[in-house]
Amino acid sequence: QKEVEQDPGPLSVPEGAIVSLNCTYSNSAFQYFMWYRQYSRKGPELLMYTYSSGNKEDGRFTAQVDKSSKYISLFIRDSQPSDSATYLCAMVWVQGAQKLVFGQGTRLTINP
Amino acid sequence: DAMVIQNPRYQVTQFGKPVTLSCSQTLNHNVMYWYQQKSSQAPKLLFHYYDKDFNNEADTPDNFQSRRPNTSFCFLDIRSPGLGDAAMYLCATSREAVGAQYFGPGTRLTVT
Repeated sequence: QKEVEQDPGPLSVPEGAIVSLNCTYSNSAFQYFMWYRQYSRKGPELLMYTYSSGNKEDGRFTAQVDKSSKYISLFIRDSQPSDSATYLCAMVWVQGAQKLVFGQGTRLTINP
Repeated sequence: DAMVIQNPRYQVTQFGKPVTLSCSQTLNHNVMYWYQQKSSQAPKLLFHYYDKDFNNEADTPDNFQSRRPNTSFCFLDIRSPGLGDAAMYLCATSREAVGAQYFGPGTRLTVT
C-alpha cells in the first residue's frame, strides 16, 4: 500500500464546473499538507499549504484536510481551461525523516 | 522576485559523459532539494541539504552526487549518465525541513 494514494485520472470536466481532487494517506504522522499544480514540462507550483484540519481558501481554490479520516481535498471553483494541468498532493511528517511524500498526481483537463 | 532558478533548462549529454546541473535561489532558504521526475510520475527525492548537512536518500544511485558551496547555489552531478537517467530534474527549496517547498522550472536531461 502506498503511503499516499491519489487517483491519476485523467479527469475531464467542462469549463465552469467545480472540480474535486482527493488524496488519502495511511500514516497519521503526516502533519503538513500541500497541493501543487504542474503544467506539462514545467516545475510544480505550490497552490496551497495547510497544517490543521479544516478548510483553507485562496481565490477559486479551497484545500480541505480531515486528519481523522486521513483525507485531503482540493476544490477548484469556476474552473478555467488554464487550470488544465496535473495536480499533485504532497505531505510531510514531523517525526523522523522529514521529506515530502507525493501522491501520483491527477491529470485534469478543463474543456471550453 | 524571489525565486528558484535552474540552468540549463534543457541539457543533452552522451551516454557516460559527466554532466552538471545547477540551481540557485534568492529565497535565502535553509534547505535545498534535488528531485528526479520521469514522465507521468511524481517527483522522486534524490537528496537534500539542510544548510551544509547533506542527506542522501537510501535508493539514490552512487552515480548521483551533489554540492552546495553556499546558501544560494546547489549542483547535481551525474558522473556517468545512463539512458535511464533521462528525466526532468527539479530543484526545490524550503525555509525549514517541514516547510512548503518551492520548485524551480526544472532541467530536462536527454541522454544519447
